Amino acid sequence: SQKIEQNSEALNIQEGKTATLTCNYTNYSPAYLQWYRQDPGRGPVFLLLIRENEKEKRKERLKVTFDTTLKQSLFHITASQPADSATYLCATSGTYKYIFGTGTRLKVLA
Amino acid sequence: NAGVTQTPKFRILKIGQSMTLQCAQDMNHNYMYWYRQDPGMGLKLIYYSVGAGITDKGEVPNGYNVSRSTTEDFPLRLELAAPSQTSVYFCASSPPPDSTNEKLFFGSGTQLSVL
Repeated sequence: SQKIEQNSEALNIQEGKTATLTCNYTNYSPAYLQWYRQDPGRGPVFLLLIRENEKEKRKERLKVTFDTTLKQSLFHITASQPADSATYLCATSGTYKYIFGTGTRLKVLA
Repeated sequence: NAGVTQTPKFRILKIGQSMTLQCAQDMNHNYMYWYRQDPGMGLKLIYYSVGAGITDKGEVPNGYNVSRSTTEDFPLRLELAAPSQTSVYFCASSPPPDSTNEKLFFGSGTQLSVL
């Protein structure tokens, strides 16, 4: 069945460094991948979408890549700040519409 | 600028009780969804709707029912609450898939405990 995985449950990094989060998919070829941010007690908020024919997409300090050979998307936050601390979810369309990874909880240490 | 509004925010139910989680959106989206989120398990789709009068099961529909009488509202019904339904429930809406603005808009969630 279609599956999307985020291998790291939690990631701690120092302020100012680049955070890199990984999303892997198996058993299908999605037309796009999305990334969402979720703060405690809140619903996820959309950040970026990257399509299969796009290698890279940027928005301010965020960068997303999509490697169809590795079946993987990488999500980077450059010059990370404590305010970037949150859970980040990747998602794509599947049999049951949007399917989500389990999320990576990022903590940026001051 | 309300977006997706969910009520209530918190609820405690006894086993066997029933309740309806309310969801409304003001963005004129045809697509609406109900997800549940359990710790470490990610978001699982319960039911979705592609327009008024049309609903379909998601990955984990057992124990739930939905209706969609208007574009704006998509309530989720729990008929006989069970402890396994303790979770955080999120309603979401979206433009049609394959549109240029394809993304989900989420409500703030309902934290439900069944004791």
